[in-house]
Amino acid sequence: GENVEQHPSTLSVQEGDSAVIKCTYSDSASNYFPWYKQELGKGPQLIIDIRSNVGEKKDQRIAVTLNKTAKHFSLHITETQPEDSAVYFCAARGFGNEKLTFGTGTRLTIIP
Amino acid sequence: DAGVIQSPRHEVTEMGQEVTLRCKPISGHDYLFWYRQTMMRGLELLIYFNNNVPIDDSGMPEDRFSAKMPNASFSTLKIQPSEPRDSAVYFCASRGTGGNEQFFGPGTRLTVL
Repeated sequence: GENVEQHPSTLSVQEGDSAVIKCTYSDSASNYFPWYKQELGKGPQLIIDIRSNVGEKKDQRIAVTLNKTAKHFSLHITETQPEDSAVYFCAARGFGNEKLTFGTGTRLTIIP
Repeated sequence: DAGVIQSPRHEVTEMGQEVTLRCKPISGHDYLFWYRQTMMRGLELLIYFNNNVPIDDSGMPEDRFSAKMPNASFSTLKIQPSEPRDSAVYFCASRGTGGNEQFFGPGTRLTVL
């Protein structure tokens, strides 16, 4: 089955700086890669996603890049703000498969 | 829409007791997923339904766990008998056909003493 590895497990950045979280996946058939943000006491919430036919996607301060050859994808958050502090999860899903396999999460702390 | 609704939000029970977690998906969504989140194992899929039919239950840890979806607006996850290692946060999520996003509920924090 699919295996998703996520790094780092914790990340602290100064407010206004950029944060990068990286994930690798094992199944070359995976074609959908979402990123979820989970705040304390809440369920995960989708913040951005990318399909395998696209190399990069941006939404304001958030961007995701995908390297299919290397089987890795990354989340980039620019101009970080205190409200970006949360746990972020990457995930992967295979073609014709509804099952999302999640990474182990990154606890991001923005230092004011 | 109120989003995915789960109840109870917190459950504390003693080992050996039956526990039932409930979920109401977003209206019109035809996929429903049950996840378990722990520090050790992260977020793992237990089972998912499509149009009320269980499709993949390979993540259900053992026979003590069962899930049902009697209609499009209600699902239950039951643990009988419960054990301390079942302590976790259980999430329900739903998704509509044609979309990719899974919408998660607020979760049920289960503690088995």
